[in-house]
Amino acid sequence: QKEVEQNSGPLSVPEGAIASLNCTYSDRGSQSFFWYRQYSGKSPELIMFIYSNGDKEDGRFTAQLNKASQYVSLLIRDSQPSDSATYLCAVQGGSEKLVFGKGTKLTVNP
Amino acid sequence: GAGVSQTPSNKVTEKGKYVELRCDPISGHTALYWYRQSLGQGPEFLIYFQGTGAADDSGLPNDRFFAVRPEGSVSTLKIQRTERGDSAVYLCASSTRDGRTYEQYFGPGTRLTVT
Repeated sequence: QKEVEQNSGPLSVPEGAIASLNCTYSDRGSQSFFWYRQYSGKSPELIMFIYSNGDKEDGRFTAQLNKASQYVSLLIRDSQPSDSATYLCAVQGGSEKLVFGKGTKLTVNP
Repeated sequence: GAGVSQTPSNKVTEKGKYVELRCDPISGHTALYWYRQSLGQGPEFLIYFQGTGAADDSGLPNDRFFAVRPEGSVSTLKIQRTERGDSAVYLCASSTRDGRTYEQYFGPGTRLTVT
């Protein structure tokens, strides 16, 4: 059973701080890694993807991948109240399907 | 451009009834996926189409669930003899799958409630 694990939270950070979201996966053959943001009552929105070991930066977001440790993370710099949402980690292996974690609920306090 | 669209946005049906959920992918996207999401859980894969054919239906929970994509664009997820446990948000996603990128973009979902 291929699994993706995330801390369910909630994770609470003050406005302007760095939010760090973590994800581990069990399938060592996984190739592609995605972070989705999901606001309450809405569908998942793709915010970052990473395919290679290392860091990938896009604005206030940085995705980090360590395949040896089977670990992927998302850093959100200068967190804003509008970043408050559930963040879903998704992993894609040899097949096309995404395997999702349960998500981490983030609250950014003004 | 237009994103993935799904209809209806909400569907309430009685136990034992038949339902159809529709997905219209992003124009030009050849790959289409169905997931379902229960409260407090991440989306769970159901089926994947590449073109008109179902390339992977390993996530369909049982033979009451069936999906088609006859012309390689719009897809319909069909659920027979609905049960209360089928209540969930059904999400559709599409992807270009052009060999370089594999990102999946989700539609707004259909909330199915079986009473």
